[in-house]
Amino acid sequence: DAGVTQSPTHLIKTRGQQVTLRCSPKSGHDTVSWYQQALGQGPQFIFQYYEEEERQRGNFPDRFSGHQFPNYSSELNVNALLLGDSALYLCASSITGGANTEAFFGQGTRLTVV
Amino acid sequence: SQQGEEDPQALSIQEGENATMNCSYKTSINNLQWYRQNSGRGLVHLILIRSNEREKHSGRLRVTLDTSKKSSSLLITASRAADTASYFCATYWNTGGFKTIFGAGTRLFVKA
Repeated sequence: DAGVTQSPTHLIKTRGQQVTLRCSPKSGHDTVSWYQQALGQGPQFIFQYYEEEERQRGNFPDRFSGHQFPNYSSELNVNALLLGDSALYLCASSITGGANTEAFFGQGTRLTVV
Repeated sequence: SQQGEEDPQALSIQEGENATMNCSYKTSINNLQWYRQNSGRGLVHLILIRSNEREKHSGRLRVTLDTSKKSSSLLITASRAADTASYFCATYWNTGGFKTIFGAGTRLFVKA
């Protein structure tokens, strides 16, 4: 089992550009959540996808959008990049459910906006 | 604002000592999870405690949960240099859908 895989691992983009990050969930998982982690901070919840729909969203602008495919993999898109978007972007997968849901994380994509 | 807040922000101890980290949260939860993160990499799940549980053990880890005080603690016994990492608590709760919310973390330094 490959666990959660994210690509690319590192990325440098210019302010104003657009970026797409990718995530493949752990086998058997149907829910994908995305987090942004600035240096020295805890992960901030961006949104969660289940059954190809955005189910939950954190306090992020519409520049942040996503998609989930029928195979449960997911993409995070960020438009009109700002310097402040530089961060580690983490993807987590889980099985949708109640009190015993454990999330598994990928190694993250380090995005640097210059 | 963050749902979970860890205390202390940073902790430095000698190898072999115990390390205790605390987490407070604001609303009712379904479960609380502790994660470890090494050098800004992905998070590793350590332990999950459900809202109806009070204590849980896993190897050198002991987690307690006090829902009346909305707080949890993580105890690492007989710490090792390899335990040096950031530790985060995450609360899993229903806000019209389930999501996991993280605190800012405790940075643990274990000196050999």
